[in-house]
Amino acid sequence: AQSVTQLGSHVSVSEGALVLLRCNYSSSVPPYLFWYVQYPNQGLQLLLKYTTGATLVKGINGFEAEFKKSETSFHLTKPSAHMSDAAEYFCAVTNSGGYQKVTFGIGTKLQVIP
Amino acid sequence: DGGITQSPKYLFRKEGQNVTLSCEQNLNHDAMYWYRQDPGQGLRLIYYSQIVNDFQKGDIAEGYSVSREKKESFPLTVTSAQKNPTAFYLCASSINRQYGYTFGSGTRLTVV
Repeated sequence: AQSVTQLGSHVSVSEGALVLLRCNYSSSVPPYLFWYVQYPNQGLQLLLKYTTGATLVKGINGFEAEFKKSETSFHLTKPSAHMSDAAEYFCAVTNSGGYQKVTFGIGTKLQVIP
Repeated sequence: DGGITQSPKYLFRKEGQNVTLSCEQNLNHDAMYWYRQDPGQGLRLIYYSQIVNDFQKGDIAEGYSVSREKKESFPLTVTSAQKNPTAFYLCASSINRQYGYTFGSGTRLTVV
């Protein structure tokens, strides 16, 4: 079985400050990990993904995430928050073998304060 | 441009009525999915289909039905048996698990 835990359903940061959204996962096989962003009343958009290879992955809009196997974590970061980053962020995991089920976290709403 | 089109964007239904949500993709993806999103609960899988003419129940399939007669289309019917259908419904597709999902823009269903 696989699962995803996103710590903090709401996170507030000041404009220009570091963004850190936490994601921990469990998986019995090597995982594929994803971060998605959702703006109000819209679908989800893929920000970045980790499958194999380099553990630090870069995505769109200046976001990046690091896969840490020893900590079973895949935290999302951005050095400097912009007002346009205010949205809901979802971490997701799927496994690299067997059926392609994706498990999503419950989401973290990011508020950016001017 | 390729993508997923969900329609309508907003839908109102009277209690006791069935309603069908449309999902069409031109990405040539084999797999398609329906998710339900409620505040604070993340995304919950309703149904999925990995090939044409085949689909499987997800975690919350009761009160829903689907069909997959064409690769491009995966409509979802919310039946009167669904006790709490008011929610935001998202359709997604994927070509391979490594590439993640492409999502549609969603349909917000309200029962009145």
